[in-house]
Amino acid sequence: SQELEQSPQSLIVQEGKNLTINCTSSKTLYGLYWYKQKYGEGLIFLMMLQKGGEEKSHEKITAKLDEKKQQSSLHITASQPSHAGIYLCGAELAGTYKYIFGTGTRLKVLA
Amino acid sequence: SAVISQKPSRDICQRGTSLTIQCQVDSQVTMMFWYRQQPGQSLTLIATANQGSEATYESGFVIDKFPISRPNLTFSTLTVSNMSPEDSSIYLCSVAGVNTGELFFGEGSRLTVL
Repeated sequence: SQELEQSPQSLIVQEGKNLTINCTSSKTLYGLYWYKQKYGEGLIFLMMLQKGGEEKSHEKITAKLDEKKQQSSLHITASQPSHAGIYLCGAELAGTYKYIFGTGTRLKVLA
Repeated sequence: SAVISQKPSRDICQRGTSLTIQCQVDSQVTMMFWYRQQPGQSLTLIATANQGSEATYESGFVIDKFPISRPNLTFSTLTVSNMSPEDSSIYLCSVAGVNTGELFFGEGSRLTVL
């Protein structure tokens, strides 16, 4: 079974709309990472969250980690076609030094 | 930060053959990770490679199929043995940042098995 679940699996939004992607784990996470992958390309690091309740923003993207460190959300404000791609959450499982990835969310932004 | 170079970037292989992917890091790292990304899928951890010890494989991956070498702190190889079309994937090498814990990735090796 997947240890990191992402939702939704895919998302199509109109340019300018806001959207949220969720990442949930059944285990406590040591660190939570968000990556973006353009189709057929490498991974681009977006943000890392390590503390419960932490929130970080970069340009129009905001990521939050809940107090229990088991759930994170990625919010994009006023989406643009350049935001399109696959968003992946990744995490280091506490006490394992093992990094795993979520199921991925495919985002398409219509101009 | 860490810069990771992977070779080959892509290859087309025949069924039954083996291919070795190389991963070179520009700094010394303790742990290196190998991932597989099948078409349209997320990343799946194959194994963790520590220098001087046997790689630790995840469930569903075995050493005979995916032998890994880690001869020093900056280099690792992953071999995909006796390939079948189901092995067609992107294989990614990654390392964790020493201070930040951020995972850095190579550009990946895209394998197509005919």
